[in-house]
Amino acid sequence: AQRVTQPEKLLSVFKGAPVELKCNYSYSGSPELFWYVQYSRQRLQLLLRHISRESIKGFTADLNKGETSFHLKKPFAQEEDSAMYYCALRGPSNTGKLIFGQGTTLQVKP
Amino acid sequence: DTEVTQTPKHLVMGMTNKKSLKCEQHMGHRAMYWYKQKAKKPPELMFVYSYEKLSINESVPSRFSPECPNSSLLNLHLHALQPEDSALYLCASSREGRGGHEQFFGPGTRLTVL
Repeated sequence: AQRVTQPEKLLSVFKGAPVELKCNYSYSGSPELFWYVQYSRQRLQLLLRHISRESIKGFTADLNKGETSFHLKKPFAQEEDSAMYYCALRGPSNTGKLIFGQGTTLQVKP
Repeated sequence: DTEVTQTPKHLVMGMTNKKSLKCEQHMGHRAMYWYKQKAKKPPELMFVYSYEKLSINESVPSRFSPECPNSSLLNLHLHALQPEDSALYLCASSREGRGGHEQFFGPGTRLTVL
């Protein structure tokens, strides 16, 4: 079964601390994974995708097929990073279906 | 224009009403989506249109009826809804319905069913 697991509902860190938002997936084929972010009162938007291997707003995520993980990391958290973060897995390749994890709220304290 | 727009922003309706949600994009995307999002939960896919044809219906009750009049517009017709249907309804679009194209989301319509 295709599934995305984000084990933490809430992650609270101080400004300047490192951040790691965990994401594990279950998928029998070749996975495509994404991180979406939803800031307060803003629309859901793509943060990054594993195939582009970019760093966006200081965030990176590496696909680890052995551990079936796609954790999101940032070395130094900023207050403006506070938001809801969703890990998502692309469903069957002939559809645009996204399978979302339950989401992790990141709270960065001053 | 690089945004997905949705109207109305808020909608309150009774269980006997008929209403429609509208979604529009002018990015030339050929796939459009309806999602339902409850508070503090992830979006749940409802429907996918690909090249103006319904390609996915995630077993959504018939009181929700999607329509794609053209490649830029997507409607969701609502009839005889229940209070548990109250949620944020999100529209999204992507270049195509196949593969891992980025989905662009609208701001949503906050629906309350009394």
